[in-house]
Amino acid sequence: EDQVTQSPEALRLQEGESSSLNCSYTVSGLRGLFWYRQDPGKGPEFLFTLYSAGEEKEKERLKATLTKKESFLHITAPKPEDSATYLCAVWEDTGRRALTFGSGTRLQVQP
Amino acid sequence: KAGVTQTPRYLIKTRGQQVTLSCSPISGHRSVSWYQQTPGQGLQFLFEYFSETQRNKGNFPGRFSGRQFSNSRSEMNVSTLELGDSALYLCASSGGDRGTYEQYFGPGTRLTVT
Repeated sequence: EDQVTQSPEALRLQEGESSSLNCSYTVSGLRGLFWYRQDPGKGPEFLFTLYSAGEEKEKERLKATLTKKESFLHITAPKPEDSATYLCAVWEDTGRRALTFGSGTRLQVQP
Repeated sequence: KAGVTQTPRYLIKTRGQQVTLSCSPISGHRSVSWYQQTPGQGLQFLFEYFSETQRNKGNFPGRFSGRQFSNSRSEMNVSTLELGDSALYLCASSGGDRGTYEQYFGPGTRLTVT
């Protein structure tokens, strides 16, 4: 049973076309939810951490929000350089310090 | 501040051999975690080291082991390599504070087992 599910698996946008990526999770207790960006052949790049429902964080064209069951990564007026795989990960309240990752959303922004 | 570095970046090994990968965390970070990334399984947690002690372990066989040195640098070892061990191995460092857990990843080591 997947604990972290990301949708859609792939998304193709035109430059300037805003959209949202979804990360839903089914864990007993959430200590933190993380968003990363990964370019081909590279390690994930840290974007945001969200610790409690209702929290929002922004960075340039990206805005992450968190509810008790899911997180959204909103991309406003994307540019081709935003093309990447976006990963979300959860840190569960089990006393175990390990992130559980979703399978990611591959975003392609066309000029 | 320099980021997480991993060496080597690429490695080709034969089935049955063993391999050692190295990771240097961000200066001041005391926690180092290792992950395996494959197209089929995605990113999976291997283990975490803090102050030279393994603090957490994922669901991987005993062929996967690691250690951490007093300067926080970490090594991961895989013995008796199998074809299925071909993957991108990622190291991530964090401050290790109990309340926060931002992890910063290195570029990874691409291991190919033939």
